Amino acid sequence: GAVVSQHPSWVICKSGTSVKIECRSLDFQATTMFWYRQFPKQSLMLMATSNEGSKATYEQGVEKDKFLINHASLTLSTLTVTSAHPEDSSFYICSAERSSGSGHEQFFGPGTRLTVL
Amino acid sequence: AQSVAQPEDQVNVAEGNPLTVKCTYSVSGNPYLFWYVQYPNRGLQFLLKYITGDNLVKGSYGFEAEFNKSQTSFHLKKPSALVSDSALYFCAVRDQAGTALIFGKGTTLSVSS
Repeated sequence: GAVVSQHPSWVICKSGTSVKIECRSLDFQATTMFWYRQFPKQSLMLMATSNEGSKATYEQGVEKDKFLINHASLTLSTLTVTSAHPEDSSFYICSAERSSGSGHEQFFGPGTRLTVL
Repeated sequence: AQSVAQPEDQVNVAEGNPLTVKCTYSVSGNPYLFWYVQYPNRGLQFLLKYITGDNLVKGSYGFEAEFNKSQTSFHLKKPSALVSDSALYFCAVRDQAGTALIFGKGTTLSVSS
């Protein structure tokens, strides 16, 4: 089956620093990846859609200068939280879309828990 | 705009009893419907999906869901609940391939022994 990894799985940082989260599709190529954010006991909220080789499309209310997304290859997308603050503490989940004869399927990473002190 | 509603925050059932977790959706075209399960501090695990075809979809761990177009529903069901089924369940929808999934708020399933 298709596997999506995220690194790191857990990160703690000081307020004001930047944190980079990687999302990799391990055994397939993904032209499209998605980044979600989940607060405790809440649903996943779509932050942005990342297409390989082009700028990400951000959802309304998501600051593109704060949440930098780079999709440099067909297997890697990165989310950088710049100048992180405690309110950015959350669970960040990525998904990668695989296109095949059976259609388009999304596979989710295990998530990255960010804690900003 | 597409949306998903999960009307119940929590569902409680006894082990061995049937369970239902409700989901209704709204999309402009034909829906692509999904159910995922999430255990504490973990990512999402895919359970099943409906794209087209039979309205009754069978998925992982004995779960199934029935697509009802007239009621715009896609309820998750299992004939006999297990304590290990206790988790957070998300219904999700998208209206076409290549777009992001839109998730419901989630329903916590608690199965008591």
